[in-house]
Amino acid sequence: DAMVIQNPRYQVTQFGKPVTLSCSQTLNHNVMYWYQQKSSQAPKLLFHYYDKDFNNEADTPDNFQSRRPNTSFCFLDIRSPGLGDAAMYLCATSSSRLPQETQYFGPGTRLLVL
Amino acid sequence: AQKVTQAQTEISVVEKEDVTLDCVYETRDTTYYLFWYKQPPSGELVFLIRRNSFDEQNEISGRYSWNFQKSTSSFNFTITASQVVDSAVYFCALSEGGAGSYQLTFGKGTKLSVIP
Repeated sequence: DAMVIQNPRYQVTQFGKPVTLSCSQTLNHNVMYWYQQKSSQAPKLLFHYYDKDFNNEADTPDNFQSRRPNTSFCFLDIRSPGLGDAAMYLCATSSSRLPQETQYFGPGTRLLVL
Repeated sequence: AQKVTQAQTEISVVEKEDVTLDCVYETRDTTYYLFWYKQPPSGELVFLIRRNSFDEQNEISGRYSWNFQKSTSSFNFTITASQVVDSAVYFCALSEGGAGSYQLTFGKGTKLSVIP
């Protein structure tokens, strides 16, 4: 089955220690998104890639970076995690950026910062 | 600016009861798209339905049904004969039809608990 995969499902890191979360997809979609979801809140878009074109949301902190080495993979790098970065990180994909395109989400990675 | 309101923060029902989750949206666009997603405790956001602004026909899929009313800017979701597996957080979301409008605006979600 075509799907969006995120690894790991749970990640524990220390305050200030860089961490990388990964996302892969078998849908062959052009667009990949990263969302941050804190407890009892709606997902918040951090950035997205349209093919190799990186698009940052205006209020995404510089601490968050992303890489997309190929169509299938996308990484979220948190350079110096703070306690406030503890959250669920969701990866999503869509075939295009048209507003009618459905975004398909992965299972998420829960990040804990100690 | 677009906005999605899910006024019900939490709902509890007993198994087999029907339940309706409310979603009210605001947009200035005439072309827009509405979505419902389910987020079970495992965390994955599962796509349930997409509806465009030109299609007001209600939809039924098994125990799920959706009532889209442009006159009241609402896109409500009803689960008939609820089951424990329906326990989840449900998000309503909106995207507008303008060029480059890829952003999904989510409501704050409604947590549904179905009690056996």
